[in-house]
Amino acid sequence: KNEVEQSPQNLTAQEGEFITINCSYSVGISALHWLQQHPGGGIVSLFMLSSGKKKHGRLIATINIQEKHSSLHITASHPRDSAVYICAVRVGNQFYFGTGTSLTVIP
Amino acid sequence: DTEVTQTPKHLVMGMTNKKSLKCEQHMGHRAMYWYKQKAKKPPELMFVYSYEKLSINESVPSRFSPECPNSSLLNLHLHALQPEDSALYLCASSQDPGHTQYFGPGTRLTVL
Repeated sequence: KNEVEQSPQNLTAQEGEFITINCSYSVGISALHWLQQHPGGGIVSLFMLSSGKKKHGRLIATINIQEKHSSLHITASHPRDSAVYICAVRVGNQFYFGTGTSLTVIP
Repeated sequence: DTEVTQTPKHLVMGMTNKKSLKCEQHMGHRAMYWYKQKAKKPPELMFVYSYEKLSINESVPSRFSPECPNSSLLNLHLHALQPEDSALYLCASSQDPGHTQYFGPGTRLTVL
């Protein structure tokens, strides 16, 4: 059983669409991270959340601790947003990763 | 300097070779991590160093041997690897264990 579940696994969107990626977890966490991995491997940390909501440019991340759920939203999506988005939760000093959502934004 | 660097970018080795992967950061981070990532899978944690001491070893085979010579450097020594060890090896660092991690670009390893 995976402690972190993401949905959808794959997502294709037209440029300009609003995108939502979901993450659910089953353990008590200290924090939740959203990561972006482009083809070729490089991973970028987008957000670290322990409560509420954070916004950076066109990206918005929310977390509901009671429901053990987080969402990553992308507004006005662009082909350069095409990447794998990974949710990771921190339990103590350990990290548990979701299986990732592969996003393709078509011009 | 806010990046984690890894060398080499690509490595091809035979099953009898000995090689090392290197990772470096100059952000003053005290925790460093090695991950292994197979295609279309999330990263799997291998080792965590905290204040230059190995704090987590996720049951990794002894053919992988980590080393932390100082707070800025992390090595992964490879010996007698198997073809199934071919993967992307990612290094990351964080201010302290459990804080936001900054990832390097990875070393893509192929074992023949």
